[in-house]
Amino acid sequence: DTGVSQDPRHKITKRGQNVTFRCDPISEHNRLYWYRQTLGQGPEFLTYFQNEAQLEKSRLLSDRFSAERPKGSFSTLEIQRTEQGDSAMYLCASSPPPRFGNEQFFGPGTRLTVL
Amino acid sequence: QKEVEQDPGPLSVPEGAIVSLNCTYSNSAFQYFMWYRQYSRKGPELLMYTYSSGNKEDGRFTAQVDKSSKYISLFIRDSQPSDSATYLCAMSATGFQKLVFGTGTRLLVSP
Repeated sequence: DTGVSQDPRHKITKRGQNVTFRCDPISEHNRLYWYRQTLGQGPEFLTYFQNEAQLEKSRLLSDRFSAERPKGSFSTLEIQRTEQGDSAMYLCASSPPPRFGNEQFFGPGTRLTVL
Repeated sequence: QKEVEQDPGPLSVPEGAIVSLNCTYSNSAFQYFMWYRQYSRKGPELLMYTYSSGNKEDGRFTAQVDKSSKYISLFIRDSQPSDSATYLCAMSATGFQKLVFGTGTRLLVSP
């Protein structure tokens, strides 16, 4: 499978715990995005990487959230001191360099439940 | 008011019907328009991608963009039960990477 992959697919945690999600983009896609989707809503943008540089962050990304893409390949999203309001689907997407198009291709998502 | 408005549905149609899905938006800077299909508990799947105004056809799907009215549409011909899903419109402005999504329209195609 050459699409965007995310791990884990599901995560159940207790309030106050830290969680980390991983995203592997499509090969040779240098742009990577994180979104959050709650029930009945469309995805909301969280952050954007071009190669290893984090170039854009949403106000939704509070101090408890941190994202990295250390080698410009896979990315991680960490949530510290989880709250019940963090329960959502966390989606990762990737795009090729702009000269090849601006489509964003999404992974299957990580569903987080905070008890 | 949200930047992108989309009727959440559900929209119920019989198999074989032509389906029309729509979004309106308020930001005149939007230039890139996309339609995604999302099955329950899955990630969004890109269906159509258009730049600026005009029509684009791909198989049973046709996307239309009317920038003067700030209105985009997705038409599905000969709808099938397997088309039952939530359809999300998304758009972005030149120079901005983030996609702004509608809430999604839930479509139900009955056999």
